[in-house]
Amino acid sequence: DAMVIQNPRYQVTQFGKPVTLSCSQTLNHNVMYWYQQKSSQAPKLLFHYYDKDFNNEADTPDNFQSRRPNTSFCFLDIRSPGLGDAAMYLCATSTRTSGVKDEQFFGPGTRLTVL
Amino acid sequence: QKEVEQNSGPLSVPEGAIASLNCTYSDRGSQSFFWYRQYSGKSPELIMFIYSNGDKEDGRFTAQLNKASQYVSLLIRDSQPSDSATYLCAVNQGGGFKTIFGAGTRLFVKA
Repeated sequence: DAMVIQNPRYQVTQFGKPVTLSCSQTLNHNVMYWYQQKSSQAPKLLFHYYDKDFNNEADTPDNFQSRRPNTSFCFLDIRSPGLGDAAMYLCATSTRTSGVKDEQFFGPGTRLTVL
Repeated sequence: QKEVEQNSGPLSVPEGAIASLNCTYSDRGSQSFFWYRQYSGKSPELIMFIYSNGDKEDGRFTAQLNKASQYVSLLIRDSQPSDSATYLCAVNQGGGFKTIFGAGTRLFVKA
């Protein structure tokens, strides 16, 4: 089945210790997104890739970086996690050919705990 | 003003009833509207999308869009306990890549 996979599902890190979250997809979608979602809040877009083009949201902290080495994989790097970065991190994909459709398909998420 | 607003709930309905979930948005240039269902601790799952004014039906779900009033709603007919979840309204602004999500409405269907 075509899908979006995130690893690990749960990640515990220490304050200030770098962490990398990964996302892979078998949908062959050209757009990949990273969202941060805290409890009872809306998913917040951090950045997205349209093919190789990287687009950072203006309010995404510099502490968050991303890499997309190929169509299938995308990584979220948190360089120095703070307690406020504890959240669910969601990877999503969509296919953008023409028009305004932007139906996004989400992976299961990675729950990040910062000690 | 929040860009996408939803009542946080919880909205409680008895099994078999119609659940009505509402959403308003601020950007008049918005073109695509989505409803996602999110179970506790899980990721959002797309259940409906609508692009044109009017109603769109898919099984027990009906999405309604009124661009003049900047209002989109989701009706769930014959509500089941398994429909108990948070429903996120999402709006794509102007055909770009940014989709804004509401914080969601918690729905509880009582058996």
